[in-house]
Amino acid sequence: KAGVTQTPRYLIKTRGQQVTLSCSPISGHRSVSWYQQTPGQGLQFLFEYFSETQRNKGNFPGRFSGRQFSNSRSEMNVSTLELGDSALYLCASSQDGSWVRGANVLTFGAGSRLTVL
Amino acid sequence: AQSVTQLDSQVPVFEEAPVELRCNYSSSVSVYLFWYVQYPNQGLQLLLKYLSGSTLVKGINGFEAEFNKSQTSFHLRKPSVHISDTAEYFCAVTRNTGTASKLTFGTGTRLQVTL
Repeated sequence: KAGVTQTPRYLIKTRGQQVTLSCSPISGHRSVSWYQQTPGQGLQFLFEYFSETQRNKGNFPGRFSGRQFSNSRSEMNVSTLELGDSALYLCASSQDGSWVRGANVLTFGAGSRLTVL
Repeated sequence: AQSVTQLDSQVPVFEEAPVELRCNYSSSVSVYLFWYVQYPNQGLQLLLKYLSGSTLVKGINGFEAEFNKSQTSFHLRKPSVHISDTAEYFCAVTRNTGTASKLTFGTGTRLQVTL
């Protein structure tokens, strides 16, 4: 069973540009969430998508956005990049992101490392 | 809101020695607790989780953790570490209702195993 796949793994952008990162969840998983990891702030929740709808959102500015497609694949976009956006962006998937049916543990991808110059 | 405190940013230990990585949490509601490991240039891998039941939880690679509700702790232990255990370890918490996707992570503990 393939894991969570994130592309690209590494990318370099300059301030003011925008970037799109892609995440393919584990087959059958319908919930996709995104996290930002930086040395200063650690791991922070960005947002979660389920059935093509944003279901939960962290405390990030509107420059950070995402979407989910009908096949559960997700993309996140960061516009008007700032130096502080340099980070490892992690995607995680779960069956439906709900505890109602019991354990719904997140499985993480390897991440996309963004460097903003 | 929940919060997690990992008391040690770095833990150096010799190979085959025991290790304990400490984690304390704060929450006004019931929670689920997790330990993840991150190897260099990789994502997070789940080590173990506490959802309910026995407070002693066993995970992969010989790790275990004990949930202590009165002390709001979830310390990770391994009786004998190996060089390959060198990695960053993250404790995480989420409330046990609603979406399971919004984890609150601690700042991480760097485990450095040497010969």
